[in-house]
Amino acid sequence: QQPVQSPQAVILREGEDAVINCSSSKALYSVHWYRQKHGEAPVFLMILLKGGEQKGHEKISASFNEKKQQSSLYLTASQLSYSGTYFCGTVNYGGSQGNLIFGKGTKLSVKP
Amino acid sequence: DSGVTQTPKHLITATGQRVTLRCSPRSGDLSVYWYQQSLDQGLQFLIQYYNGEERAKGNILERFSAQQFPDLHSELNLSSLELGDSALYFCASSAGLAGGTGELFFGEGSRLTVL
Repeated sequence: QQPVQSPQAVILREGEDAVINCSSSKALYSVHWYRQKHGEAPVFLMILLKGGEQKGHEKISASFNEKKQQSSLYLTASQLSYSGTYFCGTVNYGGSQGNLIFGKGTKLSVKP
Repeated sequence: DSGVTQTPKHLITATGQRVTLRCSPRSGDLSVYWYQQSLDQGLQFLIQYYNGEERAKGNILERFSAQQFPDLHSELNLSSLELGDSALYFCASSAGLAGGTGELFFGEGSRLTVL
């Protein structure tokens, strides 16, 4: 079941904030966030697990609401380097743990 | 450099043909994932292998098949190619299963053009 991301696209000025949302119609085991710059491979940002554990290595924060089956990625004080397409990926309960399904992506453009 | 190697980087072929895409995972990673990304589309999950065994299957066409070998490299075979198969095919690897703390490391992709 593909997660739904919103918005589809957002344009920011440097220093502005943005929130990208990801929702699933099924119970979530974990949520994964990746960023893909144009012409490059996706790069890992963060994993959020049921129970509150988070793992990431960027100065980007995210939340995971298990009851609502939703996750949000918070981009604060955006920089030009934040531009790219952000994908959330979900692993649902009841399916194979290897079944990491990505949403269609949110295209973020940060202007000077 | 993610440590995941995909070959070839670019491939142009004709409809009806068959191609094989190859992926070498990061050293020590047991899981290999295949994703298809068409123009302006998201990442479509195809299939996942863990230590040589198929563990998860997505929207992979019957014309496509994959396997993971004992040395952990993987191959994605695409046959009876159609124009719509033109896409960027990504391989990714992780130490375990994505449902745990499995960060995926993506290769640079193999761009397939079917004429």
